[in-house]
Amino acid sequence: DAEITQSPRHKITETGRQVTLACHQTWNHNNMFWYRQDLGHGLRLIHYSYGVQDTNKGEVSDGYSVSRSNTEDLPLTLESAASSQTSVYFCASTSGLGSPLHFGNGTRLTVT
Amino acid sequence: SQQGEEDPQALSIQEGENATMNCSYKTSINNLQWYRQNSGRGLVHLILIRSNEREKHSGRLRVTLDTSKKSSSLLITASRAADTASYFCATDAIPSNTGKLIFGQGTTLQVKP
Repeated sequence: DAEITQSPRHKITETGRQVTLACHQTWNHNNMFWYRQDLGHGLRLIHYSYGVQDTNKGEVSDGYSVSRSNTEDLPLTLESAASSQTSVYFCASTSGLGSPLHFGNGTRLTVT
Repeated sequence: SQQGEEDPQALSIQEGENATMNCSYKTSINNLQWYRQNSGRGLVHLILIRSNEREKHSGRLRVTLDTSKKSSSLLITASRAADTASYFCATDAIPSNTGKLIFGQGTTLQVKP
């Protein structure tokens, strides 16, 4: 069965370090999204991609970057981790814009 | 910016009872979607209702949409303990086809056995 996998599930890092969260999907979807989930804010869009070599900024993109070198993967990089980036991060994909999203199980990131 | 606001924030009911959750949004939409999130897991899509639809059913789920009031409701009938989860509405706002869903903050539902 097709799926979307995030790794690691849990990560603890120190302030100032660079961190990369992986997202891999086997749906063959062109459209991929990164959200963060925080109490009181719901899910907020960080970055998204409509296909290989395409990346776009979302609502809360400062301090984050993504790259899309193939259809399956959209890694999220925190250039210099800050305590404000402690959160749960979700990757999602969809076949068509406006269609339902398929979510991974998330990465819980703690920045100390 | 927060598009959807959900009400109530938390709901506790007995097994067998019905659960109703409401979602209000601010701008015109193409469609509205409901998702469920079990603790420690990702969101799972439940149902999508388009802006030209007023009601949609899927099993024990009934969703209504009132575009004039910019609101939607999710009804879960004959609830089960396994329905315990958080429920989110998400809107695909006009301009269309960006894929950028905007999520509400969710309703946490507890169904007691």
